[in-house]
Amino acid sequence: DADVTQTPRNRITKTGKRIMLECSQTKGHDRMYWYRQDPGLGLRLIYYSFDVKDINKGEISDGYSVSRQAQAKFSLSLESAIPNQTALYFCATSGTGHYGYTFGSGTRLTVV
Amino acid sequence: KNEVEQSPQNLTAQEGEFITINCSYSVGISALHWLQQHPGGGIVSLFMLSSGKKKHGRLIATINIQEKHSSLHITASHPRDSAVYICAVRWTGGGADGLTFGKGTHLIIQP
Repeated sequence: DADVTQTPRNRITKTGKRIMLECSQTKGHDRMYWYRQDPGLGLRLIYYSFDVKDINKGEISDGYSVSRQAQAKFSLSLESAIPNQTALYFCATSGTGHYGYTFGSGTRLTVV
Repeated sequence: KNEVEQSPQNLTAQEGEFITINCSYSVGISALHWLQQHPGGGIVSLFMLSSGKKKHGRLIATINIQEKHSSLHITASHPRDSAVYICAVRWTGGGADGLTFGKGTHLIIQP
């Protein structure tokens, strides 16, 4: 099993729908992150969490919300999806006290 | 705004060539990462550097902290090295956690 698992891998949804992307990890890392990748822009930070009670906004949090249900689970929600949220979304983890990162395989989201 | 610049954006080379990808950044960092992204999207961490040089197989990564510059080298390149290579940094001095990413270098190695 992968260290960081994202579900679903691909999703097509309609404008206005609520959608949740899920991330789970077996690394035992405290820190979890959600990034989005757009062609020509690189990855950008949406939200990050240092532990279950610590949630922080990143560079582009508008239109998104997150939930850290447990140390191993971090979900990203789009409350009302819009077409410019079409992107590749990555979950990543990092351990406190070191800077190594592990990425999930990504979720390709298309909003039509 | 703190930035990470990569060059070149695109690189096509013949199998066996020595490849260099460059990364420069604007202010102090605590760590620099080189990542590889294959078609299909998954991201794999290749190296994490805070100083000096690291080597893994045919891949070599170097960093010059004073010049705020890092390079990724691939020796004896092979078509399976074709991928997007991404430089990412963790800034010192606070602010939002997480990494700041370059836009990536799209590498194609032709047989």
